[in-house]
Amino acid sequence: GNSVTQMEGPVTLSEEAFLTINCTYTATGYPSLFWYVQYPGEGLQLLLKATKADDKGSNKGFEATYRKETTSFHLEKGSVQVSDSAVYFCALSSVSNDYKLSFGAGTTVTVRA
Amino acid sequence: NAGVTQTPKFQVLKTGQSMTLQCAQDMNHNSMYWYRQDPGMGLRLIYYSASEGTTDKGEVPNGYNVSRLNKREFSLRLESAAPSQTSVYFCASNVLGVSTDTQYFGPGTRLTVL
Repeated sequence: GNSVTQMEGPVTLSEEAFLTINCTYTATGYPSLFWYVQYPGEGLQLLLKATKADDKGSNKGFEATYRKETTSFHLEKGSVQVSDSAVYFCALSSVSNDYKLSFGAGTTVTVRA
Repeated sequence: NAGVTQTPKFQVLKTGQSMTLQCAQDMNHNSMYWYRQDPGMGLRLIYYSASEGTTDKGEVPNGYNVSRLNKREFSLRLESAAPSQTSVYFCASNVLGVSTDTQYFGPGTRLTVL
């Protein structure tokens, strides 16, 4: 079945540091890949997505590239801000699972001023 | 445009009590979902409704029932709450159940079962 493995947290960074959160997946066929973000006390919202191999999703300074050869979709940001403190979830969706989302465990990121 | 709304925001129950979590979306989406979020486990799908009039079990359906009341509303019922159901519950929706489709989430209901 489908599964997502992401880097365990928590991660604590200083402002303007570089952030990477690793995400690897197992799926049959050609899944779509997502990063969702959950700010404190809120629901999840889509951060970015990629729907085919070598696609790069980007939003709010975050980027992730769909790497089929390594089954990965790592999230990166070059210079984080305090406002980026949140929980980040990697997820996938594929026809083999009737398009339902499969989530990773989530990575808590805290950015210090 | 409210998006996905959930009520209540917080609830405390005693073991054996029942309750219904309400979810509504105003985006004319066909598909709706209920998830639970537990520490270190990400989100797990409880039930979903691909379209009005249909419901299906997800990964962790035991102890829950759902009703797709109409296109807008999708409720989750706990008939006899157990401490293992202490969690944060999220409702979500999207246009169609296709792989590229973004799901939109509500703000969540934090449930504690004593």
